[in-house]
Order: sequence, then C-alpha cells, then structure tokens
Amino acid sequence: ILNVEQSPQSLHVQEGDSTNFTCSFPSSNFYALHWYRWETAKSPEALFVMTLNGDEKKKGRISATLNTKEGYSYLYIKGSQPEDSATYLCAPFMYSGGGADGLTFGKGTHLIIQP
Amino acid sequence: GAGVSQSPSNKVTEKGKDVELRCDPISGHTALYWYRQRLGQGLEFLIYFQGNSAPDKSGLPSDRFSAERTGESVSTLTIQRTQQEDSAVYLCASSNRQGYTEAFFGQGTRLTVV
Repeated sequence: ILNVEQSPQSLHVQEGDSTNFTCSFPSSNFYALHWYRWETAKSPEALFVMTLNGDEKKKGRISATLNTKEGYSYLYIKGSQPEDSATYLCAPFMYSGGGADGLTFGKGTHLIIQP
Repeated sequence: GAGVSQSPSNKVTEKGKDVELRCDPISGHTALYWYRQRLGQGLEFLIYFQGNSAPDKSGLPSDRFSAERTGESVSTLTIQRTQQEDSAVYLCASSNRQGYTEAFFGQGTRLTVV
C-alpha cells in the first residue's frame, strides 16, 4: 500500500487570507499527481493533474506545484473565500514493475474558511 | 450517460447477505477505480481496472470482496457474507488515459449492514 501523506490534517483560515498545504509521496515509479476537492455530501472533483517535475498549474485563485525528485506537491489558495471550504485530496498515480498501482489518495486536508 | 453512474444509491442489507454494487463509467473511459469511505475516514483504494489488463486487486480488504469489469464497460463490486464493518460509501471513478487525466467520480453507494 502506497504511503501518501497530507499535512496539515485540518486548517482554519480567515476569509481573505492565503493558505497552502502539502502532499508527500514516494518519488520512485511516479507517473502523475492528482489534486481533488471534496465538498460535504458531494463527490470529489478534480482540480489538477500534473506529470512533470517543476510543473505548476493554476485555476483561478488555486494553484499547485510539483517536485517529483523529492516527492511532494503544494496546493495554494489565494484570498480564501467561504466556498473554498472543503477537503483537498491528493493522489499520486504510480506504476510498479508488477502492474499499475492506480490512484491512491491521501487522507486529505480539511479546510475551513471563517468569515 | 454524461457522468459516472452508480446503483443503487442506498442499500441496507442484513449481516451475512451478499450485495452487488454497480458502476457505469463514462463511455470510452478505459480506467475504472473502486474506493470505500468509512465514517470519518478517507478514501480507501479497493481495486483498479485498466482496459483489458489484469486488475490491481491489492486494496481488496478480504476474499469476501470481488469485482469484475468486462472490457471497458460496467463494473460490479460484490461483497459476500456482509459484515457490519463493511458499512461505508462505495465510490467508483473512471478516467480516459490511465493516470494522466482526471478521474470522474460517481455519487456513490451508501451501504448499511444491519
């Protein structure tokens, strides 16, 4: 079973502040890194898929970076809004010699934006 | 359909009974994933299908769990002799290029074992 670490586990941020959190994963057999946003009572929705070392992706106020050599990714939210409250999940897609390992999700960072 | 469809949306079953959960992926998606979310927990990987390759079953928690997929179509997850600890939301997702593109999730099946 793949070890995917996300930190912090939960985060309270004031509306308007910027924030970031981390995803760590094994750097060997790496194919891609996914970020998803999971709102209560809904299903996870994709934010980004990144494949190359040094990749940076941006969608509105949310951006992500990727370091495949050291096995980590950061997600940044600029000027947090109440609608950003959700659990943010990362999932590396790894490929081992015996077959594809698929998408293994971390436990997520639970973000709460306080008005 | 336009998205990933799962059925039933809710299932209550008695301990010891078998249940079958169904997932209809987005048409053309070669990759299909099953996950489980127990109360208060994260997404637990169960099984991964990619095209006609042998599935990665490394996440199945016991031999009571099995899953099938014919080609790139519907998948069924079967749980035999259900136990109370099997109560969870079972989520299915599909994608069209293995791990290089985003996965789209269904709305899940909430399984309650009483």
